[in-house]
Amino acid sequence: DAKTTQPTSMDCAEGRAANLPCNHSTISGNEYVYWYRQIHSQGPQYIIHGLKNNETNEMASLIITEDRKSSTLILPHATLRDTAVYYCIVRGPWETGKLIFGQGTTLQVKP
Amino acid sequence: DVKVTQSSRYLVKRTGEKVFLECVQDMDHENMFWYRQDPGLGLRLIYFSYDVKMKEKGDIPEGYSVSREKKERFSLILESASTNQTSMYLCASTSDRGTEAFFGQGTRLTVV
Repeated sequence: DAKTTQPTSMDCAEGRAANLPCNHSTISGNEYVYWYRQIHSQGPQYIIHGLKNNETNEMASLIITEDRKSSTLILPHATLRDTAVYYCIVRGPWETGKLIFGQGTTLQVKP
Repeated sequence: DVKVTQSSRYLVKRTGEKVFLECVQDMDHENMFWYRQDPGLGLRLIYFSYDVKMKEKGDIPEGYSVSREKKERFSLILESASTNQTSMYLCASTSDRGTEAFFGQGTRLTVV
């Protein structure tokens, strides 16, 4: 399974865009990049996922580099409620469906 | 709108007890997972199952076993609980169609 590398922590000012990077240099061609977040004392929540094209939904945007070795999750207008741990994971082949989480990035949104 | 339900939110057990953590999903998902989460260590995969009666070890299976007799239910078993198994346990499920994982609310287990 591909491994991911994320910064341990980041700060962001409220109302500004939060850009969370993730490296997945050993990703294979059929693996998706998923992003989740975990607010304190709750289970992780799905945000977005993609294969090679950029994706956008009501929560965030996902930018994947052309070589697919890294990606960036963008929260366009961060609020205090976006303070959480953000996990970037790579989903393995369907026959195993293994979901491996790294350490994640703790995002602190400050007023 | 609950999709993944874990049987207990908080649990206190004694060392040496056999402990069952239950997880039920109502989305007809093929894959189910058990994780534990400890401060500074993130989510670590204990076991997962990709079909009824099928299971595979995750990264930290020692001291745990699992059971999946029905598609909607995945049980984590601590054969003889120890204090180092005090942790938050999270269950998740996914389908085979590449959609997102849904997590339960977690069970905070304390072994005394």
